[in-house]
Amino acid sequence: QVQLQESGPGLVKPSETLSLTCNVSGGSITGYYWSWIRQPPGKGLEWIGYMYYSGSTKYNPSLKSRVTISVDTSKNQFSLKLSSVTAADTAVYYCARDAGATGMIDYWGQGTLVTVSS
Amino acid sequence: QSALTQPASVSGSPGQSLTISCTGTSSDVGSYHYVSWYQQHPGKAPKLMVYEVSNRPSGVSNRFSGSKSGNTASLTISGLQSEDEADYYCSSYTSTSTPVVFGGGTKLTVL
Repeated sequence: QVQLQESGPGLVKPSETLSLTCNVSGGSITGYYWSWIRQPPGKGLEWIGYMYYSGSTKYNPSLKSRVTISVDTSKNQFSLKLSSVTAADTAVYYCARDAGATGMIDYWGQGTLVTVSS
Repeated sequence: QSALTQPASVSGSPGQSLTISCTGTSSDVGSYHYVSWYQQHPGKAPKLMVYEVSNRPSGVSNRFSGSKSGNTASLTISGLQSEDEADYYCSSYTSTSTPVVFGGGTKLTVL
């Protein structure tokens, strides 16, 4: 059974960079698309982007200038960096597996709340 | 504003059937068979309930079924149960610059 677990700071200061890592266990990171999705408190889901294990990426255009997703196949991990954060980036961040780059997200992490505040 | 449009809320009594709609455009729902539905209970991660319009992952109750007509996809829940009370989100592949889009979510209340 594939399991995903996010880790990283729960509090980030405005203008700084949010950094999260997702550890994948119970399966290989190769052969799939690895996604980040966020959910502001009380609101809906927002797709941030995904990376294929080989390195190709797609990002939400509204965040593209600030987002970087990377994969470390040797550690079975992938990461998210979001720069120049503001309070609007406060959200629960989920890492997830997209089975075919089509929005079919079959495995999700439990989510981690990141608050942007000074 | 979400790319896919869902009703904000729906409600039904135990045992009833109800349908949640998800309206997109010819750039997403209308052109691709890649519509998924997710169930999210409070404080939990979303759970995949339906993929590729009408397929259920292993372990998902057959009370959940999906369909599509034109630019609108639908999730039908039959034999409504109290544990079905949750938020439901649709997603679709899209040919626009954002390959994956979500609906705004629908809160299902079991009366």
